[in-house]
Amino acid sequence: DAGVIQSPRHEVTEMGQEVTLRCKPISGHNSLFWYRQTMMRGLELLIYFNNNVPIDDSGMPEDRFSAKMPNASFSTLKIQPSEPRDSAVYFCASSPRISTDTQYFGPGTRLTVL
Amino acid sequence: ELKVEQNPLFLSMQEGKNYTIYCNYSTTSDRLYWYRQDPGKSLESLFVLLSNGAVKQEGRLMASLDTKARLSTLHITAAVHDLSATYFCAVIYYQLTFGKGTKLSVIP
Repeated sequence: DAGVIQSPRHEVTEMGQEVTLRCKPISGHNSLFWYRQTMMRGLELLIYFNNNVPIDDSGMPEDRFSAKMPNASFSTLKIQPSEPRDSAVYFCASSPRISTDTQYFGPGTRLTVL
Repeated sequence: ELKVEQNPLFLSMQEGKNYTIYCNYSTTSDRLYWYRQDPGKSLESLFVLLSNGAVKQEGRLMASLDTKARLSTLHITAAVHDLSATYFCAVIYYQLTFGKGTKLSVIP
């Protein structure tokens, strides 16, 4: 199994630009999670999906952030417009079931907003 | 709101020594996870502890769970340099909530 796949691995953009991060979960996993990791705030859950449906987006910092999961094998996290304080590592994780199974993390996308 | 607290946050230890990392959480939960993260890398699952009194061991690491005390420990035996990493505990309460992590440095 290829594991959770994220792209791009690194993204450098300028303030005000739109950024789209992509994730392919492990095949057969029904739950998908987006996290953000920074030195100051640690690991934060942004949003999670179960069977492609967003369940809890209370961790999304503001309206500039949006996430979609159009099918079981693909999800996107979009930031529009981006700001320097969005600079972080964004992880996608998937698990077989929503709240009781181990989550498997992707390699992460390191985002730098100048 | 669930709070997960780890201590210490930073740990520098010599090779061959033993030490314990503590994870306290604020709300009843019977499922706790330990993850490892190497610098610049992703998180790797180490242990899943499913019930009170659960103990799991892998190599030089042993994790235990006391749900009554809302406490988990990660014990390191005879540390080696390869164990240098950041260790996170995480607790399920509606969703997975992570502690801030313990950065472990094992010095020769």
